[in-house]
Amino acid sequence: KAGVTQTPRYLIKTRGQQVTLSCSPISGHRSVSWYQQTPGQGLQFLFEYFSETQRNKGNFPGRFSGRQFSNSRSEMNVSTLELGDSALYLCASSSGARGHNNSPLHFGNGTRLTVT
Amino acid sequence: AQSVTQLGSHVSVSEGALVLLRCNYSSSVPPYLFWYVQYPNQGLQLLLKYTSAATLVKGINGFEAEFKKSETSFHLTKPSAHMSDAAEYFCAVSDSSSSVVFGAGTILRVKS
Repeated sequence: KAGVTQTPRYLIKTRGQQVTLSCSPISGHRSVSWYQQTPGQGLQFLFEYFSETQRNKGNFPGRFSGRQFSNSRSEMNVSTLELGDSALYLCASSSGARGHNNSPLHFGNGTRLTVT
Repeated sequence: AQSVTQLGSHVSVSEGALVLLRCNYSSSVPPYLFWYVQYPNQGLQLLLKYTSAATLVKGINGFEAEFKKSETSFHLTKPSAHMSDAAEYFCAVSDSSSSVVFGAGTILRVKS
């Protein structure tokens, strides 16, 4: 079974631009979560989608948005990039059904975003 | 709201020595607890999970963790450290309705 695939692997953008990151979950997994990882803040939860619906949302500004498609693939978008958005963005999928969160997360290798 | 505290952002052990990484959680309902490992330039991988079936949980690569409700702890141990264990380790908690919350992580260094 193929693992979680994130594209692109590396990205360099300029302040003020926008960026879209892509995540393909493990086949059969309907839940996709996104995390931002930085040395100072650690792993911070962005949002979680299940069957195309946002199930949970972290404490990030509205510049951060996401969506999930009918095939469970997910994208996240960051608009008006700031220097502080430089981070490793991790996507994780799980087989967890709604309200059943004992299913482990399977992570991709992340997208390293650098904002200059 | 749930939270996780990992004591010690860096832990250093000698090869062959006991590994002990500490994790305390806060949850208002019975929690699900996880340990993940992250190697450089990679995503996180599941080491083990606790879901109330047994208090002592065995994971991959010789790691295990014990759930102690009275201490709200879920410490990770390995009897004998190997050089390949050097990585960052994350404790995480979730319940039946919320998303997973991660601790700040502990970087394990193994000295030869």
